[in-house]
Amino acid sequence: RKEVEQDPGPFNVPEGATVAFNCTYSNSASQSFFWYRQDCRKEPKLLMSVYSSGNEDGRFTAQLNRASQYISLLIRDSKLSDSATYLCVVNLSGGYNKLIFGAGTRLAVHP
Amino acid sequence: NAGVTQTPKFQVLKTGQSMTLQCAQDMNHEYMSWYRQDPGMGLRLIHYSVGAGITDQGEVPNGYNVSRSTTEDFPLRLLSAAPSQTSVYFCASRRAGAGTGELFFGEGSRLTVL
Repeated sequence: RKEVEQDPGPFNVPEGATVAFNCTYSNSASQSFFWYRQDCRKEPKLLMSVYSSGNEDGRFTAQLNRASQYISLLIRDSKLSDSATYLCVVNLSGGYNKLIFGAGTRLAVHP
Repeated sequence: NAGVTQTPKFQVLKTGQSMTLQCAQDMNHEYMSWYRQDPGMGLRLIHYSVGAGITDQGEVPNGYNVSRSTTEDFPLRLLSAAPSQTSVYFCASRRAGAGTGELFFGEGSRLTVL
């Protein structure tokens, strides 16, 4: 079983739609969680950290469910510019030395 | 600031050849790492370093060597290239003890081994 699993998609949604991605992780000792965004043939960039209490950044909301070992990302009012691959990232230990990346979920927003 | 700079951006090798992927950062980050990205696999950690003179293995270190003689540079050496090493390689860095754990990536190096 992969340590971090994501639905590869693609999720094809119209502009303005709300879309949600889930990510499951296998190691219950995982301490920190993140969502990264990767545009086609570009490098990944941090989108947001995921806190235990949940957090929101504009149209983006991240949630953590430790009991079920999954994190989620909700995107409201999707824009064409949101089209990208979203990578779920889990830190297995303190110090962030070994961040484990999921394979990513591809989102395509169409007019 | 240039951030994280990787060279070359593209490289084609023949099986058995050796080469070095260069990575330099100008942000004075203590932590540097190398990942490879393959379709459907996500990014996998090859080697990392928490400071000059200190390196450690990640998930997939076989076939690769690293060294960290300065804070700025973290080259990745392929000793004898194999077709299985065809991939996109990313170098990343961050500040030690950074609370966000944010990694800053280079633009990637696309390697093809024939």
